[in-house]
Amino acid sequence: DAGVTQSPTHLIKTRGQHVTLRCSPISGHKSVSWYQQVLGQGPQFIFQYYEKEERGRGNFPDRFSARQFPNYSSELNVNALLLGDSALYLCASSLSLTGGNTEAFFGQGTRLTVV
Amino acid sequence: GESVGLHLPTLSVQEGDNSIINCAYSNSASDYFIWYKQESGKGPQFIIDIRSNMDKRQGQRVTVLLNKTVKHLSLQIAATQPGDSAVYFCAENSNTGNQFYFGTGTSLTVIP
Repeated sequence: DAGVTQSPTHLIKTRGQHVTLRCSPISGHKSVSWYQQVLGQGPQFIFQYYEKEERGRGNFPDRFSARQFPNYSSELNVNALLLGDSALYLCASSLSLTGGNTEAFFGQGTRLTVV
Repeated sequence: GESVGLHLPTLSVQEGDNSIINCAYSNSASDYFIWYKQESGKGPQFIIDIRSNMDKRQGQRVTVLLNKTVKHLSLQIAATQPGDSAVYFCAENSNTGNQFYFGTGTSLTVIP
């Protein structure tokens, strides 16, 4: 079985632009979470989606949005990019809601560089 | 808010020795913990987890210890190998929460 897949792997954008990152969870997993990992730090929670509904949101501005599709894949959108948005964006897949003490498995991430 | 931190940011060990990576957490409601290994340029890789109703769990060459009294978690790696070189994160979650909180990570370097 394929693990969590994310696309693209690398991306370079200019300040002010918007970006869409994509994630396909492990087959059978219904929950997708997004994390931002700045260089030298641990991942920070952005969103969790379960059964196509937002079930949690971290401390990120409204420029960040996401959605989950009927096939449980997900998109993370970031508008009006800032230099500080440069980071590794990670998608985590789990069978159910994270609050159910369920293992979360990560993809390889999308490295976003804003110039 | 919750806080998960690591005592040592870097750790160097000789190949074949045992490694111990420590983690402190501050949320007493945390009841589920995962250790992740992250190699350069890759996403975090699940190593082992433990629930709060346990104080020890063993995997292949790895053991996680949980001390709820002092809110401390450790990862022990037996017979450390060069392939174990990576950054290790502990992550915690509570049954009422919907996210994992990560520490800042410990960089493990295995010296051949």
